[in-house]
Amino acid sequence: GQSLEQPSEVTAVEGAIVQINCTYQTSGFYGLSWYQQHDGGAPTFLSYNALDGLEETGRFSSFLSRSDSYGYLLLQELQMKDSASYFCAVGRVARQLTFGSGTQLTVLP
Amino acid sequence: GAVVSQHPSRVICKSGTSVKIECRSLDFQATTMFWYRQFPKQSLMLMATSNEGSKATYEQGVEKDKFLINHASLTLSTLTVTSAHPEDSSFYICSANSGRKDEQYFGPGTRLTVT
Repeated sequence: GQSLEQPSEVTAVEGAIVQINCTYQTSGFYGLSWYQQHDGGAPTFLSYNALDGLEETGRFSSFLSRSDSYGYLLLQELQMKDSASYFCAVGRVARQLTFGSGTQLTVLP
Repeated sequence: GAVVSQHPSRVICKSGTSVKIECRSLDFQATTMFWYRQFPKQSLMLMATSNEGSKATYEQGVEKDKFLINHASLTLSTLTVTSAHPEDSSFYICSANSGRKDEQYFGPGTRLTVT
């Protein structure tokens, strides 16, 4: 089976840096992805790690350690529009995704 | 980037009726599409994998006779919720992989309300 754990809520102020952690247990692993979802909207792709290390995409970075079954999403220079739910997801053999329970990020002025 | 559309965006139906939701990849071909369900404040749960030209693969606990999936072309998959009940009310989202890494593109979702 597959299970992913991430914090349910995180709060930070504008301009700050926040890290959302994700630990996983899977029977097969084809990469760790991160998605952002605003209320009522569809998930949008943020980042993907297949190999250990850091991937940087603008203000967002994602890290993976396969030996620790652990990854994180790092958001820098937080903006109010970053308030959303963030999901980590593990890829499976046929490219299905198993999602974590999501982290609600609230950015305060 | 790749675009996935869904129709309708919102539907209200009476208990016992069937509802069809369409998922289209607009600017790429998708041999595989995925259907998810999301209840309020919860995560996305994969329901089934839709394969063009063959039967869908359903996740454990998802009734294949209730949630009929048809993937008739490389750009269209449909999900039909048959004999809908109030507990089927949810946000249904499809996604497709364009072939680039594991980046999936999600449709805007369909909010189904069964009265």
